[in-house]
Amino acid sequence: EPEVTQTPSHQVTQMGQEVILHCVPISNHLYFYWYRQILGQKVEFLVSFYNNEISEKSEIFDDQFSVERPDGSNFTLKIRSTKLEDSAMYFCASKGQLNTEAFFGQGTRLTVV
Amino acid sequence: DQQVKQNSPSLSVQEGRISILNCDYTNSMFDYFLWYKKYPAEGPTFLISISSIKDKNEDGRFTVFLNKSAKHLSLHIVPSQPGDSAVYFCISRGSTLGRLYFGRGTQLTVWP
Repeated sequence: EPEVTQTPSHQVTQMGQEVILHCVPISNHLYFYWYRQILGQKVEFLVSFYNNEISEKSEIFDDQFSVERPDGSNFTLKIRSTKLEDSAMYFCASKGQLNTEAFFGQGTRLTVV
Repeated sequence: DQQVKQNSPSLSVQEGRISILNCDYTNSMFDYFLWYKKYPAEGPTFLISISSIKDKNEDGRFTVFLNKSAKHLSLHIVPSQPGDSAVYFCISRGSTLGRLYFGRGTQLTVWP
């Protein structure tokens, strides 16, 4: 069964450092998303991406965040200068059509120290 | 942002009995709802969905009920099985671009 793959499973970084989280969506999918879940809180939407551009972003997704689909298979989330409060589980998701369900990766746990 | 609320953080049910997970929403513009389940160390996986034009959708042991006037939905699992033990997220699709609004989740434990 096709799946969304995220790497690494756990990333530890120092405050102020840049971090890139990697995702390989399902190959024929067109819509891509990043969500995050801070420990003990809700899963929150960060950004959606379609046709090589951001289609929607939340207030969390400020100038420190960026997304890229560099080679047609990977979908990355970059945080330029990490803060302690960026520590969370980050989920990538993809879907083939708008009216179908999203498939989620297993998540990357980001710990900022 | 409390647009989707799951007020019960946990539910414990004996195997074979019915599990009922509840969810409320505040935004009357929401027109599509989903339930996902999540096992530890895995991502959320789709379980069942319902459009606002329906009040019930059934798939095997899983049934979702939607009461639009009360802005309430529920997921029924019958009979419950130990393998159903997971976190269940009530989710609303909030825009035509597919953004999802999650509830906090309910940890379901099904004991033998």
